[in-house]
Amino acid sequence: DGGITQSPKYLFRKEGQNVTLSCEQNLNHDAMYWYRQDPGQGLRLIYYSQIVNDFQKGDIAEGYSVSREKKESFPLTVTSAQKNPTAFYLCASTPQWGTEAFFGQGTRLTVV
Amino acid sequence: AQSVTQLDSHVSVSEGTPVLLRCNYSSSYSPSLFWYVQHPNKGLQLLLKYTSAATLVKGINGFEAEFKKSETSFHLTKPSAHMSDAAEYFCVVSDHKGGGADGLTFGKGTHLIIQP
Repeated sequence: DGGITQSPKYLFRKEGQNVTLSCEQNLNHDAMYWYRQDPGQGLRLIYYSQIVNDFQKGDIAEGYSVSREKKESFPLTVTSAQKNPTAFYLCASTPQWGTEAFFGQGTRLTVV
Repeated sequence: AQSVTQLDSHVSVSEGTPVLLRCNYSSSYSPSLFWYVQHPNKGLQLLLKYTSAATLVKGINGFEAEFKKSETSFHLTKPSAHMSDAAEYFCVVSDHKGGGADGLTFGKGTHLIIQP
């Protein structure tokens, strides 16, 4: 079945560490997105990519980095510069810019 | 620029009674509009979408929404609530314009509580 796979489902990070969240899709979608979700704040866009080897900052990119070396993959690295990384992270993809989004099941990151 | 306002952060209804979740939007272009549902610790699932065809849109699980351009609204309704409907609901707008981070704009969500 086609879809988006995020891994791991739960992730724990010590302060000062970088961690990478995986997002893979087999929907042949061009555009991929990373969102952060905090209680009562909805979804906030971290980074997005419309095509391989190209990506753009969203509204809250500071402390995060991404790569898009393959169409299917859009990993997100949460760096030590992100001061408040504890959140639920959602990856999504769309067949064309701004159309219906398909979401992964999310990764819950907790700083310990 | 586009924006979405979900008028209620929480809605509580009794099982078997109607559900109304309100959404207003603004967009410089003819938008597409979506409603998504999210259960705890899960991703978002598409309930329904409006893409300039019929203004009354039917979705999954008995939900429907009506696009009203004059009121810039896209309210979500269901005639009879089930316990399984308890979740977070997001209204989303897209004006299909590229070149920026405005592809999809999310409302802040409405938490639907179903009382037994």
